[in-house]
Amino acid sequence: DTGVSQNPRHKITKRGQNVTFRCDPISEHNRLYWYRQTLGQGPEFLTYFQNEAQLEKSRLLSDRFSAERPKGSFSTLEIQRTEQGDSAMYLCASSLNPGQTSSYEQYFGPGTRLTVT
Amino acid sequence: GESVGLHLPTLSVQEGDNSIINCAYSNSASDYFIWYKQESGKGPQFIIDIRSNMDKRQGQRVTVLLNKTVKHLSLQIAATQPGDSAVYFCAENTNPMDSSYKLIFGSGTRLLVRP
Repeated sequence: DTGVSQNPRHKITKRGQNVTFRCDPISEHNRLYWYRQTLGQGPEFLTYFQNEAQLEKSRLLSDRFSAERPKGSFSTLEIQRTEQGDSAMYLCASSLNPGQTSSYEQYFGPGTRLTVT
Repeated sequence: GESVGLHLPTLSVQEGDNSIINCAYSNSASDYFIWYKQESGKGPQFIIDIRSNMDKRQGQRVTVLLNKTVKHLSLQIAATQPGDSAVYFCAENTNPMDSSYKLIFGSGTRLLVRP
């Protein structure tokens, strides 16, 4: 499978616990994006990486959230001291550098559904 | 502010009919638009995209129309099939000078195909 993969697919955690999600992008894609999606809504941008550099963070990304992409390949998104309001689907997407292609298409993974109890 | 919205939250069509899903956008500077299909429990799947220098683009059974005058985007699906049942999102790259190329999504339209 050469698409974007995410693990785990589902995570149930108790409020106050830390969780970490992983995203493996399409191998030749140097851009990686994280989005959050709540029920009935479209995905909302959280942050993105160009290779290993994190270039932008949304105001939605509180201090409890941290994302890394240490070697410019896979990425992790960690949420510390989870709150019930963090319950959502966390989506990862990857793309080529827009300067390398005429399309800005982002390829999405299946998401990690987080439930905070 | 920058936003992408949809006129109809749910659209029900008969199998074999054509479907039209509409989307309004507010930022006249947006230069790229994209339609995604999302099935339950899955991530968004690319359908078709269009640049602002075009007003129509066709794919397999799908057509996207862009009316920049009224800031309106539509997705037309020909001969709708049961497998087309899903939530459809339009998204835009609101600022062509923004090097992130992040997408701003609308809230989605659910398409239900009746057999």
